[in-house]
Amino acid sequence: EAGVTQFPSHSVIEKGQTVTLRCDPISGHDNLYWYRRVMGKEIKFLLHFVKESKQDESGMPNNRFLAERTGGTYSTLKVQPAELEDSGVYFCASSQVQGARDEQFFGPGTRLTVL
Amino acid sequence: GNSVTQMEGPVTLSEEAFLTINCTYTATGYPSLFWYVQYPGEGLQLLLKATKADDKGSNKGFEATYRKETTSFHLEKGSVQVSDSAVYFCALRGNSGGYQKVTFGTGTKLQVIP
Repeated sequence: EAGVTQFPSHSVIEKGQTVTLRCDPISGHDNLYWYRRVMGKEIKFLLHFVKESKQDESGMPNNRFLAERTGGTYSTLKVQPAELEDSGVYFCASSQVQGARDEQFFGPGTRLTVL
Repeated sequence: GNSVTQMEGPVTLSEEAFLTINCTYTATGYPSLFWYVQYPGEGLQLLLKATKADDKGSNKGFEATYRKETTSFHLEKGSVQVSDSAVYFCALRGNSGGYQKVTFGTGTKLQVIP
């Protein structure tokens, strides 16, 4: 069974440009999460989808970030316009069942560098 | 809110040395505790977990015991190998029912030299 995949693995863009990150969760997983690790700090929660609906987007830093999950399958995270402080590693995770004891499976991350 | 504090790295050890990475947490109720590992070029992997006080999680020679009295979940391994070089993240998730997001520490980079 394929794990969580993310694309691209690395993106380098200039300040003010737009970047779209993609996450493909494990097939059949209704729950999809985005996290971010900035500058060697802790990994922080961004948002959570249940199928195509946003369950919790309390971690989204500002309105330059837009996450979508059309059809409840893959998800995209768009940053527009990108700022220097958006540099970091963006992780996606998925889980099958919504619950406190449900394991989240993480992807390899997308390393975003904003110059 | 919930928070996790873990020792800063990097930690450099010789092969077969004893490893301890300290982790303490702040949370209400009885969270589940985790250690995740990220090997170079790979994603986060769940290394071990413990869901209640005094539980010991173990995997690949690593162990951590859920200590509620000290709010700690220190990671230990008796004899590290070069292949253990990675970044280790302590994390928690609340157990107050339903969905709870994972709260991570800052990560500790471990380098094991031959």
